[in-house]
Amino acid sequence: NAGVTQTPKFRILKIGQSMTLQCAQDMNHNYMYWYRQDPGMGLKLIYYSVGAGITDKGEVPNGYNVSRSTTEDFPLRLELAAPSQTSVYFCASSYPFQGDTQYFGPGTRLTVL
Amino acid sequence: GESVGLHLPTLSVQEGDNSIINCAYSNSASDYFIWYKQESGKGPQFIIDIRSNMDKRQGQRVTVLLNKTVKHLSLQIAATQPGDSAVYFCAEPIIQGAQKLVFGQGTRLTINP
Repeated sequence: NAGVTQTPKFRILKIGQSMTLQCAQDMNHNYMYWYRQDPGMGLKLIYYSVGAGITDKGEVPNGYNVSRSTTEDFPLRLELAAPSQTSVYFCASSYPFQGDTQYFGPGTRLTVL
Repeated sequence: GESVGLHLPTLSVQEGDNSIINCAYSNSASDYFIWYKQESGKGPQFIIDIRSNMDKRQGQRVTVLLNKTVKHLSLQIAATQPGDSAVYFCAEPIIQGAQKLVFGQGTRLTINP
């Protein structure tokens, strides 16, 4: 299994540009998550999904959108990039039971200039 | 609301010594905690977890202690090795539609040769 994969690894955007961060998992997990990690900080939840077609907001959803058309994929969309969105973005997935470990991807480092 | 926090942002230890990383939480009803290790440039990796019906849980070279009276948990790493250099996070899953993780700020562990 490849686990959780994310593309791209790095990206630089100009203010106002848009982009989609890709996330895929091959573990047949129902739950998927997007987090952001600012320098020296812990992770904050942006959006999550409990299954295909179902998504919900986390702690910091403003400026982002998600979709979940398949079990495997959970893309994160930035419509109008702002410097405050400079961060490292992690995708994770898990089974839907309490206590099940979340498996994280390697991250996407995004800089907005 | 729920929160988890760490006492120290950085910790330096000599190779071969034991390391202790601390974490405090605020919700006395919290019943499950997870420790993650994040190496530079990588996503968080599950280390060990503990439920509130336990005071101690041991893994390979790691032990987690939970003190519910003072709402404190610690991660002990025995005989630290260079590969233990990383940022360590305590996290608490919050069940609100899905198992969402609330992360503390993190402690950077540096191993001195």
